[in-house]
Amino acid sequence: AQSVTQLGSHVSVSEGALVLLRCNYSSSVPPYLFWYVQYPNQGLQLLLKYTSAATLVKGINGFEAEFKKSETSFHLTKPSAHMSDAAEYFCAVSRGGTYKYIFGTGTRLKVLA
Amino acid sequence: ETGVTQSPTHLIKTRGQQVTLRCSSQSGHNTVSWYQQALGQGPQFIFQYYREEENGRGNFPPRFSGLQFPNYSSELNVNALELDDSALYLCASSLATAGGTDTQYFGPGTRLTVL
Repeated sequence: AQSVTQLGSHVSVSEGALVLLRCNYSSSVPPYLFWYVQYPNQGLQLLLKYTSAATLVKGINGFEAEFKKSETSFHLTKPSAHMSDAAEYFCAVSRGGTYKYIFGTGTRLKVLA
Repeated sequence: ETGVTQSPTHLIKTRGQQVTLRCSSQSGHNTVSWYQQALGQGPQFIFQYYREEENGRGNFPPRFSGLQFPNYSSELNVNALELDDSALYLCASSLATAGGTDTQYFGPGTRLTVL
């Protein structure tokens, strides 16, 4: 069985500050891990994915995430927040890219001017 | 290359009615998955179709059914609508290969409101 836990349903950061969104997963098989962003009234846009290659994954818009097997974590970071980063972020786990995704409950990021 | 499209954008139905939602996959993709996203929640997997056959199903009752057509477009049908069916319905397409490493690309969703 697979599951995802996103700690913090709401996160606020100042513009220019570090963004850290937490994701812990549970998986009985080597996981595929994803981060998606959702802007209001829109679908999901892929930020980045881990597919058992490099543990540090770089994505779009300056985001990156590090796969840590020992901590079963896949936290999302960005060195400097921008106002346009305000959105909802979802972490997902799967046993493969084309298999069903199990999503976390999401973290709403607010960026303060 | 066109992305995943869904229609309609918004839909309002009353309890007990039936609804059909449509999805056009990204060009070249042969697999479509449907998800339900209730307000304030993460998406929940409904089912997946591969080459016109159901290829996995989540914890949804049989009144949720689907079809995938030879051109890989897809429909989600929901019968006997309930108030709790109000949600954003997301379609995602991908290319299934032996390695299974592709990614699911999501459409903009259909917002269904059941009154």
